[in-house]
Amino acid sequence: GNSVTQMEGPVTLSEEAFLTINCTYTATGYPSLFWYVQYPGEGLQLLLKATKADDKGSNKGFEATYRKETTSFHLEKGSVQVSDSAVYFCALMNTGFQKLVFGTGTRLLVSP
Amino acid sequence: KAGVTQTPRYLIKTRGQQVTLSCSPISGHRSVSWYQQTPGQGLQFLFEYFSETQRNKGNFPGRFSGRQFSNSRSEMNVSTLELGDSALYLCASSSGDRSSYNEQFFGPGTRLTVL
Repeated sequence: GNSVTQMEGPVTLSEEAFLTINCTYTATGYPSLFWYVQYPGEGLQLLLKATKADDKGSNKGFEATYRKETTSFHLEKGSVQVSDSAVYFCALMNTGFQKLVFGTGTRLLVSP
Repeated sequence: KAGVTQTPRYLIKTRGQQVTLSCSPISGHRSVSWYQQTPGQGLQFLFEYFSETQRNKGNFPGRFSGRQFSNSRSEMNVSTLELGDSALYLCASSSGDRSSYNEQFFGPGTRLTVL
């Protein structure tokens, strides 16, 4: 079946540090891949997406590249801010099915 | 364009009771999906409704049910509540077009506490 594995948190960084959150997946077919972010007390917001191999999704300084050969979709940001503190979820969806499969989430804490 | 709305935002029930949660999708969206979020199990898919029909279902017991109305609003019902049903319930709406990727937009969730 489909599954997503992402690194355990929390990830604790100082402001302006480089961020990497690892995500790997197992899927049948050719899924679309996503990163969602959840701020305290809120629902999920789509951060970025990639719908086919070698696509790079980017938004608000965050980037992730769909790597079919390594089944990975790692999230990166060159310089984090305190306001980036949140929980980040990697997810996949097979085309034609409105069902997201999520990783366990990684909490990011950024200190000034 | 108004986002996805969920009501109520918070709910406290006791074991054995039943509960109904509501979700209003973005205007024009015909697909509504429901997810359960708990600290232990993470985010899990409950079911998806499209044009008033359940189109996809997750691995949850029959106590969890849902429906969708002709205006695409959806409700989910949990009967005979158990302590383990305490969770944040999220709904997401999308156009539902199966031929291509279409983004799911999430509501703020309903926080259910079972005592």
